[in-house]
Amino acid sequence: GESVGLHLPTLSVQEGDNSIINCAYSNSASDYFIWYKQESGKGPQFIIDIRSNMDKRQGQRVTVLLNKTVKHLSLQIAATQPGDSAVYFCAEITGGSYIPTFGRGTSLIVHP
Amino acid sequence: DTGVSQDPRHKITKRGQNVTFRCDPISEHNRLYWYRQTLGQGPEFLTYFQNEAQLEKSRLLSDRFSAERPKGSFSTLEIQRTEQGDSAMYLCASSLDFPTSTDTQYFGPGTRLTVL
Repeated sequence: GESVGLHLPTLSVQEGDNSIINCAYSNSASDYFIWYKQESGKGPQFIIDIRSNMDKRQGQRVTVLLNKTVKHLSLQIAATQPGDSAVYFCAEITGGSYIPTFGRGTSLIVHP
Repeated sequence: DTGVSQDPRHKITKRGQNVTFRCDPISEHNRLYWYRQTLGQGPEFLTYFQNEAQLEKSRLLSDRFSAERPKGSFSTLEIQRTEQGDSAMYLCASSLDFPTSTDTQYFGPGTRLTVL
């Protein structure tokens, strides 16, 4: 079936660097995408979202880019901090559904 | 703390036993979701309530699993005759109007189930 997936299972960066986490999706009917951050021992936490009528959305230190042509989603974190160390998931929602489908996750490790 | 709470946080049980988990959502939230998560994987949807009505169930939710939300507030997830494959983190989330508005899902800390 169609699914959401991530390219890199682990990403290691130095504090202060910019991080880019990628996600591929295959369901062309998906029209809403969310990035979540999950720290050890906690549930996923919403970071930023984007709807399919946009190709870029910015938050505080985070930017999500959506390329519908190649069905690709990315999360950019500026000036990565040790507190950003976590597992990051992208999730997609198909129009009319209330249920997000999560990808596998990328572990971000930030070295001081 | 006015977030989503789950109880217990950890549960160790023997194969064949029944277990029940509780989720208390954010008080005004009418939507409640249960997910299962295994190590390194994203959460997998199990079931969804709007108020007290269970509107959707995943094929993952076998007949050994049952969920209730009797008064449209807290919810319970019961697993009967547990199997080792049931070992996972069980996450609950709630929302007011997700995803039809700018609202989002708020996740609880999860219940870690280990079946021996």
